[in-house]
Amino acid sequence: AQSVTQLGSHVSVSEGALVLLRCNYSSSVPPYLFWYVQYPNQGLQLLLKYTTGATLVKGINGFEAEFKKSETSFHLTKPSAHMSDAAEYFCAVQGAQKLVFGQGTRLTINP
Amino acid sequence: EADIYQTPRYLVIGTGKKITLECSQTMGHDKMYWYQQDPGMELHLIHYSYGVNSTEKGDLSSESTVSRIRTEHFPLTLESARPSHTSQYLCASSDPSGARGDTQYFGPGTRLTVL
Repeated sequence: AQSVTQLGSHVSVSEGALVLLRCNYSSSVPPYLFWYVQYPNQGLQLLLKYTTGATLVKGINGFEAEFKKSETSFHLTKPSAHMSDAAEYFCAVQGAQKLVFGQGTRLTINP
Repeated sequence: EADIYQTPRYLVIGTGKKITLECSQTMGHDKMYWYQQDPGMELHLIHYSYGVNSTEKGDLSSESTVSRIRTEHFPLTLESARPSHTSQYLCASSDPSGARGDTQYFGPGTRLTVL
């Protein structure tokens, strides 16, 4: 069975600083991995996904993630945080018939 | 851009009322899903559907029911709402290809409060 662990339920960074949100997965098959973002009182929006091929995946809003099979990780990064990046971020792995989500990481940006 | 709609966005009702949360998508997706999400918490899958006349229960037990009479419409019903049903309900649909890695597109959610 597939599972996802997001390390850190809350992450706080200063505006302009590097953003790093951690995600580790468990999968019995080659994983398909996703990052979603949720702004307050809204649904989830896809940031990026990894299926096959290049392990460094670029997404929207300047985010990217790198698939590391040896570390079973899919961490999300952004070089320079903006105030508008404040939101909840969810990592997910494709299960047999559905997505399996992590518990989420709330990103706070300090001015 | 995905087009998936949920109504109402916010609902406050009294205990014992019957409610239906509406979800519609215009993308022709076969697969649709309902998630329950408490504030600041993870998502729990409560129902999903592979297509018309197909419904399945998800990972989290729920007293709600769903139906899928039309491809584009996947409503969720609570016959008798209780305060424990207070939560946010998110609807999603995914690409019709059936391949692994199909992206789920989410609606804006319905925030339900039962008094």
